[in-house]
Amino acid sequence: GQQVMQIPQYQHVQEGEDFTTYCNSSTTLSNIQWYKQRPGGHPVFLIQLVKSGEVKKQKRLTFQFGEAKKNSSLHITATQTTDVGTYFCAGTNDYKLSFGAGTTVTVRA
Amino acid sequence: EAGVAQSPRYKIIEKRQSVAFWCNPISGHATLYWYQQILGQGPKLLIQFQNNGVVDDSQLPKDRFSAERLKGVDSTLKIQPAKLEDSAVYLCASRRPGLAGGSTDTQYFGPGTRLTVL
Repeated sequence: GQQVMQIPQYQHVQEGEDFTTYCNSSTTLSNIQWYKQRPGGHPVFLIQLVKSGEVKKQKRLTFQFGEAKKNSSLHITATQTTDVGTYFCAGTNDYKLSFGAGTTVTVRA
Repeated sequence: EAGVAQSPRYKIIEKRQSVAFWCNPISGHATLYWYQQILGQGPKLLIQFQNNGVVDDSQLPKDRFSAERLKGVDSTLKIQPAKLEDSAVYLCASRRPGLAGGSTDTQYFGPGTRLTVL
């Protein structure tokens, strides 16, 4: 079945630094979504990428969908304490959405 | 617009007991999902409804888990009997009309029910 892998599992970042988290699928995806889950909260939708090579930006967050539609990345610039949480990617294949295990981000002030 | 409602928020039971969770999706959302999220993992889809019909329940442990959405609105998820490994947060999510595709794949999650099985 479809598997979605995320790396790294944990990301410890100094406030103000940049980092990138990666998402890889074992199968070609029709789209990929990114969610953020704050500690103790529920996943909140951030963005959806549909087209091969698509790049979307939300303020300090840049999302990219690979050319083969099997991988994606989330890049955060100038990390802030409000970026703390777990970022999940979720890929759609054959109408089924599969979540990765997430990258948990902590920020050192 | 009201969000996805779930109850109870927390539940503690002993193994072999039964438990039920309730979900009220966003008004007008035809698609409803139940996920199981074990600590440190991503949400795992248990069952997907389109209106009151089941679209996908391939990962639902049917020997102990059941779910229904009789009138195509609210849904209940039941575990009977519970095992220790069922301890998790059970998330309900809903999506706008339509089975899939396009730009309307956004799922809106409820706050979840945290189940502890002792």
